[in-house]
Amino acid sequence: EAQVTQNPRYLITVTGKKLTVTCSQNMNHEYMSWYRQDPGLGLRQIYYSMNVEVTDKGDVPEGYKVSRKEKRNFPLILESPSPNQTSLYFCASSLVEPSSYNSPLHFGNGTRLTVT
Amino acid sequence: AQTVTQSQPEMSVQEAETVTLSCTYDTSESNYYLFWYKQPPSRQMILVIRQEAYKQQNATENRFSVNFQKAAKSFSLKISDSQLGDTAMYFCAFIQGAQKLVFGQGTRLTINP
Repeated sequence: EAQVTQNPRYLITVTGKKLTVTCSQNMNHEYMSWYRQDPGLGLRQIYYSMNVEVTDKGDVPEGYKVSRKEKRNFPLILESPSPNQTSLYFCASSLVEPSSYNSPLHFGNGTRLTVT
Repeated sequence: AQTVTQSQPEMSVQEAETVTLSCTYDTSESNYYLFWYKQPPSRQMILVIRQEAYKQQNATENRFSVNFQKAAKSFSLKISDSQLGDTAMYFCAFIQGAQKLVFGQGTRLTINP
């Protein structure tokens, strides 16, 4: 089944403890992206990747890192999480850049992160 | 900067009624794409419908249709014969040549039995 898989689904951690949220897609998609969803703000892009070894900042990259060493994987790394990073996180992928009409974004099921 | 505004934080209608969700956006470009996503309680993001700006004909997908008013920069979603399964958060989104979708704040829609 074609899908974007995020893990974990829920994560509770403490301030400053490094964590990684994994994202993997099995559709051979070139483009991958991370969003965070907060009430009243919708979804905002954190980082995106056009292809392997190519990543760039989105609107809210502060406090986050990503890597794209393989086409299928795009982990989100929080080196020193803070309470303001408590949010719902989504990974998404598309065949090519999502501005192409025939390249809709496929989303993972989300990771609910709580930082205390 | 590109912005998307959904002015209705919450809406509630009875089953089988028709409901329209509003969305406005801001851009100076002439070609772009618009989307409506549905997020049910399961949190999954589901693409409902999409519209290319250069197409004047409004997109339709079964009970879902849009009213695309390019001059007014308006992109509303109409759900006909609403069903309990339509209960969800709905996000309007916009993309234009950039590498990201820009999302609105969302509208929480409740369909009552």
